[in-house]
Amino acid sequence: RKEVEQDPGPFNVPEGATVAFNCTYSNSASQSFFWYRQDCRKEPKLLMSVYSSGNEDGRFTAQLNRASQYISLLIRDSKLSDSATYLCVVNTNAGKSTFGDGTTLTVKP
Amino acid sequence: NAGVTQTPKFQVLKTGQSMTLQCAQDMNHEYMSWYRQDPGMGLRLIHYSVGAGITDQGEVPNGYNVSRSTTEDFPLRLLSAAPSQTSVYFCASSYYGSRDGYTFGSGTRLTVV
Repeated sequence: RKEVEQDPGPFNVPEGATVAFNCTYSNSASQSFFWYRQDCRKEPKLLMSVYSSGNEDGRFTAQLNRASQYISLLIRDSKLSDSATYLCVVNTNAGKSTFGDGTTLTVKP
Repeated sequence: NAGVTQTPKFQVLKTGQSMTLQCAQDMNHEYMSWYRQDPGMGLRLIHYSVGAGITDQGEVPNGYNVSRSTTEDFPLRLLSAAPSQTSVYFCASSYYGSRDGYTFGSGTRLTVV
């Protein structure tokens, strides 16, 4: 079993739709959690850190459920520019991060 | 502010050749790391460093060496290139223990023939 697992998708949604991604992790000692966005053939870029209390940034909301060991990302009012691969990242200690394989989102007109 | 700079952007090697991928950051980050990303997959950690003079292995260290003589630089050496090392390599940095995530370089696309 992988340490960090994501539904690979692809998710194909129309503009304006709401879409949610989940990510599960296996190490209960994990300390910090992130969502990154990666465009085709580009480097990953930090989208959001995920806090226990949940956090929101515009159309994006991230949630952490430590009891069930999963994090989620909700995108409201999807835009064409949201099309990308979304990577879930879990820091198991201060020195290492484990990346999920990514979930691909395509937003269509 | 350049952030994280990786060179070269593209490289073709013959099997058995050696080379060094360069990574430099100007943000005074203690933590630096190297990842490889194969098609359709996430990033896998090769080596990382929590400060000058300190390095450690990640998930897939075989065939790679690193050193960290300065805070700014973290080169990755391929000792004897193999076709299985064909991949995109990303360098990343952050403040140690940061909850602000990593800054990535733009990547090196390596092909071993």
